This record gives sequence, structure tokens and C-alpha cells, in this order.
Amino acid sequence: GQNIDQPTEMTATEGAIVQINCTYQTSGFNGLFWYQQHAGEAPTFLSYNVLDGLEEKGRFSSFLSRSKGYSYLLLKELQMKDSASYLCAVRESGGYNKLIFGAGTRLAVHP
Amino acid sequence: DAGITQSPRHKVTETGTPVTLRCHQTENHRYMYWYRQDPGHGLRLIHYSYGVKDTDKGEVSDGYSVSRSKTEDFLLTLESATSSQTSVYFCAISESRLAGPTDTQYFGPGTRLTVL
Repeated sequence: GQNIDQPTEMTATEGAIVQINCTYQTSGFNGLFWYQQHAGEAPTFLSYNVLDGLEEKGRFSSFLSRSKGYSYLLLKELQMKDSASYLCAVRESGGYNKLIFGAGTRLAVHP
Repeated sequence: DAGITQSPRHKVTETGTPVTLRCHQTENHRYMYWYRQDPGHGLRLIHYSYGVKDTDKGEVSDGYSVSRSKTEDFLLTLESATSSQTSVYFCAISESRLAGPTDTQYFGPGTRLTVL
């Protein structure tokens, strides 16, 4: 079956670092995406991993371990505007660029 | 930002009525997708299209149909709306299936549908 797990909610302090974990069990794998979604808005693309290791993009980094079915999103120097939901999604193999999404992690950043 | 619009943005309807949601893109992307988003479930794929007149079912397709007669438009129809179809519906597009980071899906602003 297809299963993607993320924590439902997390809280963190402005200026701190937070790590959001994602574990997956899918029948195929062709890359993992992280999206950010502010309340009432559309998801927007943050990062993409297809090979093991860390991808860094400014304050955001994403890590992938394919053998463990595990990824994390690391947010540094947290800002209030980072309060949002973070969605982990696995791209299925087999074409059509189909994504399977986790339920998302709602992050609240406090002063 | 990718040029994707959805209409209507909000709709309230009654059980048993037909409803059509429209997704329009100006990017000439080949792939289009319809999702619904509900608390605790995340985004779930309803139907997708890989070209004009080429569509297929997703994870939660029961009660929904789609049509794509032009590259730029992808319509989602609820033939007879039910309260369980109250949700936020997102359309997404992607350029190709080359399986690279550039093939991320870009999302429209969403339609909030309430079925009474």
C-alpha cells in the first residue's frame, strides 16, 4: 500500500531551527517533494530530492534516505512567516508525474 | 508564478445538484490534475489528464468525472453533489514527465465547495 506519515503539528520559536520528518512506504519511488501551504492558500514548491543526501536552498534544506524511506525538511532561522503547513509528497514511478501526499505538518512559529 | 486560475473560487450548492469546476492554464503544460483537500487527509488525487481527451482516475474518483477538450482547460464535474464532497478542490499542472525537479506540480488557488 501507499503510506506517507508526518507529524500533525509542531511548534517552534522565532530564530530557532526545526526539523519536520516524513516517512514513506510506497510501491514505487521517483523523487520526493516538499511543499509549503499557508492557511487558505495553494501549496507552493519548496524542494525536491531524488538521490540520497542533503539539498540546501537558503534557509531550507531537505534530506532523503531511500533505503530508510525517510526524509526531513530543515528550516533554519525561523521567521513568523514560516508558520504554515508543510506537505511531503512522493512521486510515483511509471510516468504521469503523479504525487502521493502526506497529510501535512502544521508548524506554528511563536515570538 | 504559473498561470493557473480556478473558477468559481467559492460555491455553495445543494445535495443532488450538478456542479462543474473549471481549471484554466496559460502555460501550455501537458499534465493537469484535480485534487481535493480535507482535514486529516491531505491532498488526494481525483483525476488527472496527460493530454487533450486523455484522462485517467486517481485515488478518489468515485462521484467525479472530468473532461479536457483543450490543452488549457480541465473541467471537474460532480454529477450529483453529496455532502461528502464538501471540500477544497485544487487543480495542478506540470510540464512533462521527464522526472526532474522542473517537473514539480504547480497549484491553482483552489475552489471551496460546500454541499448542503
